[in-house]
Amino acid sequence: EADIYQTPRYLVIGTGKKITLECSQTMGHDKMYWYQQDPGMELHLIHYSYGVNSTEKGDLSSESTVSRIRTEHFPLTLESARPSHTSQYLCATNDRGHGYTFGSGTRLTVV
Amino acid sequence: GNSVTQMEGPVTLSEEAFLTINCTYTATGYPSLFWYVQYPGEGLQLLLKATKADDKGSNKGFEATYRKETTSFHLEKGSVQVSDSAVYFCALRSNTGTASKLTFGTGTRLQVTL
Repeated sequence: EADIYQTPRYLVIGTGKKITLECSQTMGHDKMYWYQQDPGMELHLIHYSYGVNSTEKGDLSSESTVSRIRTEHFPLTLESARPSHTSQYLCATNDRGHGYTFGSGTRLTVV
Repeated sequence: GNSVTQMEGPVTLSEEAFLTINCTYTATGYPSLFWYVQYPGEGLQLLLKATKADDKGSNKGFEATYRKETTSFHLEKGSVQVSDSAVYFCALRSNTGTASKLTFGTGTRLQVTL
């Protein structure tokens, strides 16, 4: 049974639409992360959070935004999707004693 | 800054062959090192880890030893199976500061054939 959930698993949308990718965890971890994985497999950190009301941009610039109103949820929003946003988005949590736990990912296609 | 370099793939092996995927790193201080595996259509799963020099991580027949003198963390398995076909990522986590961010290598795709 997974402790971190991402929805939807797959999403195909038209250009210009607003979308929110959901990430929820049941482990009570403070640290959460969003990674973007391009078709060449490379992973890039785009956002992270140390806890409620804390969000930071990652190493790769992204047009997406995140929020952390509750410990359990770390949604990612694209206000106006473009084909260049087509990618897989992976959410993760971190507890120093147990390392990172990843969700199954959301594969986004913008047409 | 921190960086991870791993061998390019794809790596194609016959079942029961010996596997080595090379990984070297650059980091300040004493990072923790990880191998993650990604099966088709799924997220990443932790395969093994090592938190200090000379530690050996092992899981499911895979092993990797933290070599500080050569800044390496090569992944090995004595006899691969078709079910091991996946993408393998080497990663490090700096243990300085509070960010605890993982830095990943570019991934190595392994294809095991009968």
